[in-house]
Amino acid sequence: AQRVTQPEKLLSVFKGAPVELKCNYSYSGSPELFWYVQYSRQRLQLLLRHISRESIKGFTADLNKGETSFHLKKPFAQEEDSAMYYCALSATSGSRLTFGEGTQLTVNP
Amino acid sequence: GAVVSQHPSRVICKSGTSVKIECRSLDFQATTMFWYRQFPKQSLMLMATSNEGSKATYEQGVEKDKFLINHASLTLSTLTVTSAHPEDSSFYICSATSPATSGPYEQYFGPGTRLTVT
Repeated sequence: AQRVTQPEKLLSVFKGAPVELKCNYSYSGSPELFWYVQYSRQRLQLLLRHISRESIKGFTADLNKGETSFHLKKPFAQEEDSAMYYCALSATSGSRLTFGEGTQLTVNP
Repeated sequence: GAVVSQHPSRVICKSGTSVKIECRSLDFQATTMFWYRQFPKQSLMLMATSNEGSKATYEQGVEKDKFLINHASLTLSTLTVTSAHPEDSSFYICSATSPATSGPYEQYFGPGTRLTVT
């Protein structure tokens, strides 16, 4: 069975501070990991995926297979980063996604 | 980017009636569509996977006779909640994926439909 855990439901930081949203997963094979973001009153959208190894809007995430983690990081948070963030896993490309519970990030001025 | 629409965005129906929600891929052909349900302040729970021209695959615990899914074309999937009850009130979200795009698959999400059963 595949499972995604985001231990923090709420996370609040000040503008300019570093932010890390935690994500741990359990899956027996080699999954694909994603971070999705949902801004207020907008639809869910892909932020980044581990296989792309890219930085989007200053965010990065590294897959740590030893710790089964895929934490999302940004060195200097901005107010516009305030949103709901979901970590997700799929067994193979294009297959069903399993979502974590989500972390509501608030960046205060 | 690829766009997925849902209609209606909000619907209120009486207990015992049925309601249909449409999910459309506007600028690409979606061979696979997914239907999710989201309760307030909770995560998305996959209900079913729908492939064009074949029967949907339902997740464990989801009643296939209650949540009828039809994926008759490459751009349209429908979810019909039959004999709706107040506990069916929720936010229903669809997503679509296509093999036509290069590189890894990506799921494109619709804006969701808020169903309230009175």
